[in-house]
Amino acid sequence: DAGVTQSPTHLIKTRGQQVTLRCSPISGHKSVSWYQQVLGQGPQFIFQYYEKEERGRGNFPDRFSARQFPNYSSELNVNALLLGDSALYLCASSLSDSFNYGYTFGSGTRLTVV
Amino acid sequence: QKEVEQNSGPLSVPEGAIASLNCTYSDRGSQSFFWYRQYSGKSPELIMFIYSNGDKEDGRFTAQLNKASQYVSLLIRDSQPSDSATYLCAVTGGSYIPTFGRGTSLIVHP
Repeated sequence: DAGVTQSPTHLIKTRGQQVTLRCSPISGHKSVSWYQQVLGQGPQFIFQYYEKEERGRGNFPDRFSARQFPNYSSELNVNALLLGDSALYLCASSLSDSFNYGYTFGSGTRLTVV
Repeated sequence: QKEVEQNSGPLSVPEGAIASLNCTYSDRGSQSFFWYRQYSGKSPELIMFIYSNGDKEDGRFTAQLNKASQYVSLLIRDSQPSDSATYLCAVTGGSYIPTFGRGTSLIVHP
């Protein structure tokens, strides 16, 4: 069984540009969550989606948006990139939105904004 | 604002020793507690979860939870150099959305 897959693995963007990150959850998992991890810090919650509906939003500006598709894959979009958006973006997959058994993380997308 | 606090370390222990990693949390309504291991440049990997007060053992790992003191810990017995990583504590409440600590860096030296 494939794990959580994220693409691309690495990305370099210029300030002001827009970026789209993609995530496919483990087969059968209906919940996808997005986290941002800055070097030296723990993951910070951005969004949670379950059955294509937003179930939670972290303290991030409106430049960040996401959606979940009928096949449960998800995209995270970030507009008007800032240098501070440089981070590892993690997608986490779980069976439901009740998160009783922990997350399985993808390998992440390393975003560098120059 | 829910907070999860961890000492950033590094915690350095000799091979074969017991490593003790600690985590405190601010929300008394927290229900579920998780430990993740993250190797440098990699994504977090779930090690253990615990819901009830007391100890939970899995191989060389023991999670300990004390809700009255709002404290959760992870003990690693017979530490190996391959255990060298950052250990993240995560806590969930009624929303089921976990809040992560900043992690503790563990170094196991031969």
